[in-house]
Amino acid sequence: NAGVTQTPKFQVLKTGQSMTLQCAQDMNHEYMSWYRQDPGMGLRLIHYSVGAGITDQGEVPNGYNVSRSTTEDFPLRLLSAAPSQTSVYFCASSPLGNAEKLFFGSGTQLSVL
Amino acid sequence: DQQVKQNSPSLSVQEGRISILNCDYTNSMFDYFLWYKKYPAEGPTFLISISSIKDKNEDGRFTVFLNKSAKHLSLHIVPSQPGDSAVYFCAASSGAGSYQLTFGKGTKLSVIP
Repeated sequence: NAGVTQTPKFQVLKTGQSMTLQCAQDMNHEYMSWYRQDPGMGLRLIHYSVGAGITDQGEVPNGYNVSRSTTEDFPLRLLSAAPSQTSVYFCASSPLGNAEKLFFGSGTQLSVL
Repeated sequence: DQQVKQNSPSLSVQEGRISILNCDYTNSMFDYFLWYKKYPAEGPTFLISISSIKDKNEDGRFTVFLNKSAKHLSLHIVPSQPGDSAVYFCAASSGAGSYQLTFGKGTKLSVIP
């Protein structure tokens, strides 16, 4: 069972570069979200989506873009990477009726130099 | 301002004994609480949850207690096993349709054989 798949697992960027973190789920979940985890900060919600074509901002959306063209995929875009975006990024999904019980991917460790 | 607080960054417990992990919250709108468990290099996994209409929920070795008047919840693990060694995150949401979880910073539990 694939569950939630995130790629890449590791990435190093230079300040100002752009990149897309990929997230795909095969559980037909309506709800998908992106979190970042920083040392001593817990997990903070970046963006989320309740279905294809619908996205909304979380607690820390600045510097990130998302789109949801299919149920399965929810990519996170960094348009101009900054050192403050160095973090571990987790994608998560869940059925809408149980949105709080998230299924997480294994994470992407991003370093911005 | 932290709305979900886990004031103990770490906890060590002997195998077979009880582990008690604590969590406090400040937002009185929170009415659904969850615990997630995270191993290194993996995403968090859902462990147990409790609605504000209850004061206790049990699932095998794991029990969550909620004290709404004190805005406090705790996770009890009995008996503790070495495989329980992980980081535990407390999370809260403010009702159906909020789609936003607020996480604490986590408590690292070490179960000593």
